[in-house]
Amino acid sequence: AQTVTQSQPEMSVQEAETVTLSCTYDTSESNYYLFWYKQPPSRQMILVIRQEAYKQQNATENRFSVNFQKAAKSFSLKISDSQLGDTAMYFCAFMKAGGTSYGKLTFGQGTILTVHP
Amino acid sequence: EAQVTQNPRYLITVTGKKLTVTCSQNMNHEYMSWYRQDPGLGLRQIYYSMNVEVTDKGDVPEGYKVSRKEKRNFPLILESPSPNQTSLYFCASTLLAGAYNEQFFGPGTRLTVL
Repeated sequence: AQTVTQSQPEMSVQEAETVTLSCTYDTSESNYYLFWYKQPPSRQMILVIRQEAYKQQNATENRFSVNFQKAAKSFSLKISDSQLGDTAMYFCAFMKAGGTSYGKLTFGQGTILTVHP
Repeated sequence: EAQVTQNPRYLITVTGKKLTVTCSQNMNHEYMSWYRQDPGLGLRQIYYSMNVEVTDKGDVPEGYKVSRKEKRNFPLILESPSPNQTSLYFCASTLLAGAYNEQFFGPGTRLTVL
């Protein structure tokens, strides 16, 4: 079974600064996907970024980038030029790329990020 | 507009009173699933369905039932709700549970069982 751990329950950052959210995972799978989801106060789950495990290059989406360390099973999210609209709960998630139970997302506990003006 | 809808969005009920939370998607997705979100635990999968009439248990299926009679609908049934089922529930769908396809989430249903 896979586990995902987010060790930072809460974080805060000043507007325009950079913040990094941590995520570690445990799996015996060699092929999988990793995701960061954003959940603003509206509760909607919004996909921020995804990473395929077979790709060495770190994914980027505008101000969001990841640091994927496969050997260390680490998948951190860096938010640059933080904006007030980035205030949300952020979830790290894992999904197998095949076999049984694929399609299932395994989530971490979540990190509440607050961006201060 | 491509979307996943859930109803109701909020529900307060009492222990033992059967309820159904509906989920519908208009994207012709094959794979649908239900998650519950609890503080400190993240989201956990309750049940999933690979296609019509094909359903299976996720990580926390106890106390829940599902059915998939039509491709677009995947209702979650609580036959005898208990207070420990107070939670935020999400329905999600994706085209195929194979090569990566983005999962689309519904807006969530906040359930309180008294």
